[in-house]
Amino acid sequence: GENVEQHPSTLSVQEGDSAVIKCTYSDSASNYFPWYKQELGKRPQLIIDIRSNVGEKKDQRIAVTLNKTAKHFSLHITETQPEDSAVYFCAASVSNYQLIWGAGTKLIIKP
Amino acid sequence: GAGVSQSPSNKVTEKGKDVELRCDPISGHTALYWYRQSLGQGLEFLIYFQGNSAPDKSGLPSDRFSAERTGGSVSTLTIQRTQQEDSAVYLCASSSTGLGNSPLHFGNGTRLTVT
Repeated sequence: GENVEQHPSTLSVQEGDSAVIKCTYSDSASNYFPWYKQELGKRPQLIIDIRSNVGEKKDQRIAVTLNKTAKHFSLHITETQPEDSAVYFCAASVSNYQLIWGAGTKLIIKP
Repeated sequence: GAGVSQSPSNKVTEKGKDVELRCDPISGHTALYWYRQSLGQGLEFLIYFQGNSAPDKSGLPSDRFSAERTGGSVSTLTIQRTQQEDSAVYLCASSSTGLGNSPLHFGNGTRLTVT
């Protein structure tokens, strides 16, 4: 079946450094790729998303890049801050309503 | 405005009992999803409702699980004869249109513990 692989499962970075989380998807028809942030004990919240007709999207310290040929997309967080500590989930669409989710990356920002 | 509301926030039940979990989506959102999240894991799709269309039940793990959505708004997820492996956080999400045009908005979830 369709799947999304997400790496790494845990990422520890020094405050102020950059963090990169990578996802690979299997369905070549996927055309929508959101990233969600889930703080401990809270609901997942959308932080950025990208459609297949663009290769990169930025929103302040957060950016997402998409390589459709290689079927992978990445989340980039620059100048990390303590409040960036959370679990991040990537997802890829497999229909106009269905998402397949990655297993999540626990991001730890070290002071 | 109000977000997605789920109740109860926590539920502890004995093995073999039935439980009902409730979801109030954002007003006007036609799409509603149920997901299950086990401790430290990703999101497992359970069921999807869109307007008056037949729901996509392909993610329900067994026939002990069922869900309904009344009047295109409130949804209830029912788990019959609960088992310990049903322990997880059950998340509800809604969106106004198809993916890419409207993101999923999640509720805070119901933490189910089966003893």
